[in-house]
Amino acid sequence: GDSVTQMEGPVTLSEEAFLTINCTYTATGYPSLFWYVQYPGEGLQLLLKATKADDKGSNKGFEATYRKETTSFHLEKGSVQVSDSAVYFCALSDLGGSEKLVFGKGMKLTVNP
Amino acid sequence: NAGVMQNPRHLVRRRGQEARLRCSPMKGHSHVYWYRQLPEEGLKFMVYLQKENIIDESGMPKERFSAEFPKEGPSILRIQQVVRGDSAAYFCASPPPGGIANTGELFFGEGSRLTVL
Repeated sequence: GDSVTQMEGPVTLSEEAFLTINCTYTATGYPSLFWYVQYPGEGLQLLLKATKADDKGSNKGFEATYRKETTSFHLEKGSVQVSDSAVYFCALSDLGGSEKLVFGKGMKLTVNP
Repeated sequence: NAGVMQNPRHLVRRRGQEARLRCSPMKGHSHVYWYRQLPEEGLKFMVYLQKENIIDESGMPKERFSAEFPKEGPSILRIQQVVRGDSAAYFCASPPPGGIANTGELFFGEGSRLTVL
């Protein structure tokens, strides 16, 4: 079945550091790709998405580009803030059969001042 | 998302007891997903329901777990005879009307954290 593999943490960075979180996927067809973020004690929230190859999703300074040739959707941010401390999940839409999202394992990011 | 309500937020059970987790989706939404977040394992799909119908239960363990979404009232995830391995955070999510095909966005509740002693 469809699956998502993402870089596992935890990762600790200093404020203003550059962030990359790797994500690759395996899917039949052409899924949409997503990054969700989970702040401490909360549910997941959609951070950004891309629905087709070469699309770039962006939000709150984060970006990710849908790369069909490498089946990747890496998340980047040029300068992280303490408030970015959270768990980040890469996901794809599995539209075969019932619609559902398939998530990676998540990566915990801590940003220190 | 504040619109998806889950309760209880925290639940402690002893081995062999039953756990019932409730989820009310966003107003006007008639579908819910249940996901389980185990330590070190990320989010795993469990079941997808609409009112009075199970659409996809391919992620549900074969025994002890059941889910329903009645015509009136919240969706309920029920775990019978809990074991320590059931300790996890259980999240409910509500898709927008029309499903996730267009936006891919799921609106998550804050989760119910089950601890089995």
